[in-house]
Amino acid sequence: GIQVEQSPPDLILQEGANSTLRCNFSDSVNNLQWFHQNPWGQLINLFYIPSGTKQNGRLSATTVATERYSLLYISSSQTTDSGVYFCAGGDYGGSQGNLIFGKGTKLSVKP
Amino acid sequence: DAGVIQSPRHEVTEMGQEVTLRCKPISGHNSLFWYRQTMMRGLELLIYFNNNVPIDDSGMPEDRFSAKMPNASFSTLKIQPSEPRDSAVYFCASSLAGQGAYEQYFGPGTRLTVT
Repeated sequence: GIQVEQSPPDLILQEGANSTLRCNFSDSVNNLQWFHQNPWGQLINLFYIPSGTKQNGRLSATTVATERYSLLYISSSQTTDSGVYFCAGGDYGGSQGNLIFGKGTKLSVKP
Repeated sequence: DAGVIQSPRHEVTEMGQEVTLRCKPISGHNSLFWYRQTMMRGLELLIYFNNNVPIDDSGMPEDRFSAKMPNASFSTLKIQPSEPRDSAVYFCASSLAGQGAYEQYFGPGTRLTVT
C-alpha cells in the first residue's frame, strides 16, 4: 500500500516565523488532504489538494503529483497554529477515497 | 450545516464490556469511514462504507470489532468484548465520493478508555 512520510516530525517556531512542512508519497495519489489536529484533538480540514497550489489566509499548499510530494506553508505563525499537521493520501480510483495518513508534524509556536 | 456527529465523546468501560460508538455523517454524503488513533499506530482506517455497503474492512483488528450502516444517516462501531488495548480515539469521517471530489470531513472523535 501507499506509504506517507512527513517531515520534520517536530518543529518549534517563534511567533511570526514562517515554516514549510513536507509530505512524500511512495506511490501516485489522486486524493490528498492536509489536516490540523488542534490541542483538543479535533481534525480540521486545511486543504484538499491532489495537485496544484491553494492558499487560505496565512496557509498555502502545493502538490506536485508527478513527483509525489506536497508542501504546506505557514507564514507569520501564531500560537494558535500549534498542534499536529497531518497529510493523507489515497487512490480513489482503486479504493474509493480511502486515506493513508502520515505520522504528522508536531508544531509548537512560542510567544 | 452540521458536521459529522459522533457519540459519546468519551467512554470509560471495564474490560469485557460491550462498547458501541455512533456516527451521523454529513447529510448527502455517500461514504463513511471509521478510523482509530493511537500513539503507537497513528491514524489508521478500520472500515469504510460506500452507499451503506461495507467496501473494505481489512483494517478491523479482529472479530471483536464490527460495524454497521443501516441507513445513509447512521453508523455504529461495536467492540465486544472490549480490552484495554482497544483504548484509543475513534474517529468517524464522511465524504461525497464521485465527480472528482473525495474530501473527507472528520467528526470530533470518541475517546475510549478500557480499564
